[in-house]
Amino acid sequence: DAGITQSPRHKVTETGTPVTLRCHQTENHRYMYWYRQDPGHGLRLIHYSYGVKDTDKGEVSDGYSVSRSKTEDFLLTLESATSSQTSVYFCAARQGVEQPQHFGDGTRLSIL
Amino acid sequence: RKEVEQDPGPFNVPEGATVAFNCTYSNSASQSFFWYRQDCRKEPKLLMSVYSSGNEDGRFTAQLNRASQYISLLIRDSKLSDSATYLCVVNMASNYQLIWGAGTKLIIKP
Repeated sequence: DAGITQSPRHKVTETGTPVTLRCHQTENHRYMYWYRQDPGHGLRLIHYSYGVKDTDKGEVSDGYSVSRSKTEDFLLTLESATSSQTSVYFCAARQGVEQPQHFGDGTRLSIL
Repeated sequence: RKEVEQDPGPFNVPEGATVAFNCTYSNSASQSFFWYRQDCRKEPKLLMSVYSSGNEDGRFTAQLNRASQYISLLIRDSKLSDSATYLCVVNMASNYQLIWGAGTKLIIKP
């Protein structure tokens, strides 16, 4: 158990609504990541954080924002959800830049 | 060219057989490497790190070839429970990111 929990685990919402996904970790990992996974694309990085209040964009950051106000929490926000953001979202964390990542259970998000 | 490439498979392998996957990467500055497995609709889980000298964990052996820029995973005496997608990951420590392959699907048949 890597001590990473994501909430909610499942969510269905409508186009145009704001959505926030939460990632909480208990291992004091410095680095945290949000990915989305879609069939045929593998894991794609949305945003990542290298410390409290330190975040940067990944390859598919358009339409997403993040915040990290404390070490244990990394929030992903879809300001105005679109159907193309229907996906499985994974949060990951790691202690150091040479270390592997550990993942949360994922959030299945459907935008109707 | 993708930064990390894997044969998507599926590899259909009888139980008890040996199977090997390769993964190629394009950036010679890549610093560390990992193999993960992912079961259907689940999160990726670390299988093993890959060291320059090669490493073994039970039935699993990982190798790194920096000259040819690929890593490999060998599974011996395959079990039904080995059926999963195997993800190759390359670590670019300089920019905090990991580069993920799209995965190789393995199906072990009785």
